[in-house]
Amino acid sequence: DVKVTQSSRYLVKRTGEKVFLECVQDMDHENMFWYRQDPGLGLRLIYFSYDVKMKEKGDIPEGYSVSREKKERFSLILESASTNQTSMYLCASRVGAGELFFGEGSRLTVL
Amino acid sequence: AQSVTQLGSHVSVSEGALVLLRCNYSSSVPPYLFWYVQYPNQGLQLLLKYTSAATLVKGINGFEAEFKKSETSFHLTKPSAHMSDAAEYFCAVSFSGNTPLVFGKGTRLSVIA
Repeated sequence: DVKVTQSSRYLVKRTGEKVFLECVQDMDHENMFWYRQDPGLGLRLIYFSYDVKMKEKGDIPEGYSVSREKKERFSLILESASTNQTSMYLCASRVGAGELFFGEGSRLTVL
Repeated sequence: AQSVTQLGSHVSVSEGALVLLRCNYSSSVPPYLFWYVQYPNQGLQLLLKYTSAATLVKGINGFEAEFKKSETSFHLTKPSAHMSDAAEYFCAVSFSGNTPLVFGKGTRLSVIA
C-alpha cells in the first residue's frame, strides 16, 4: 500500500521557534508537495519539488522553506514560527499527472 | 489564473437523499480533474479522477462525477446519502501533466438522519 508519513500529528510551538515538519513517502515518487489547510480557504500550496535538491515556490511560500536531500523525504521548515502559521499542514506525493497521495496531516499551533 | 470553484461551503442532505456537490474550473484546456474526501482529523483520500477517458467517472463509496466540457464542470453525485458520507469534499484540477493540483475551498457535507 502507498504510504506518506508525516512525522508529527500535533505540535505546539512558541513564537520565534524554528519548526521542522518531516514527510516521507515509500512509493519512489518524484514529485512532493506541501499544502496548508485553513477553514474556508481550502488547500494552498506552499512549496513543491520535482526531484532531489529541487524546489519550487507555490502560492504562499513566505515564511517557509523546504529541503529535499533524498527522494523519499521532503521537509518543511518554519524559520521563525508566528501565530499566523497555526494551521494544518499536509504533505503529498505523486508521479507525473497522477493522483496525489496525502499524509495524515500535521496540526501546528503557535502560541 | 487557473481556479476551481466549489459552490456551497456547506451542504446538508437527509439520509437516503441525492448528494450533489458542485465544481467548476476555469480553463479552455481539458484538465485532469479529481475529487477528494477528508474525514475529521485525517488526510485527503481520492474519491475519483477524470483523465480524458469516459466523461462519467465512477469512484469509491458509490460516488460518481460527470465531466462537462461545455459547462467547465465536474459535479460529484451520489444517489443515496449515508451517514458515513459526512465529511469535507474537495475538487481539484491539474491543467497540464506535471503541474501542481489546484484545489477548491471545499464543501462540508452533513447528512441528517
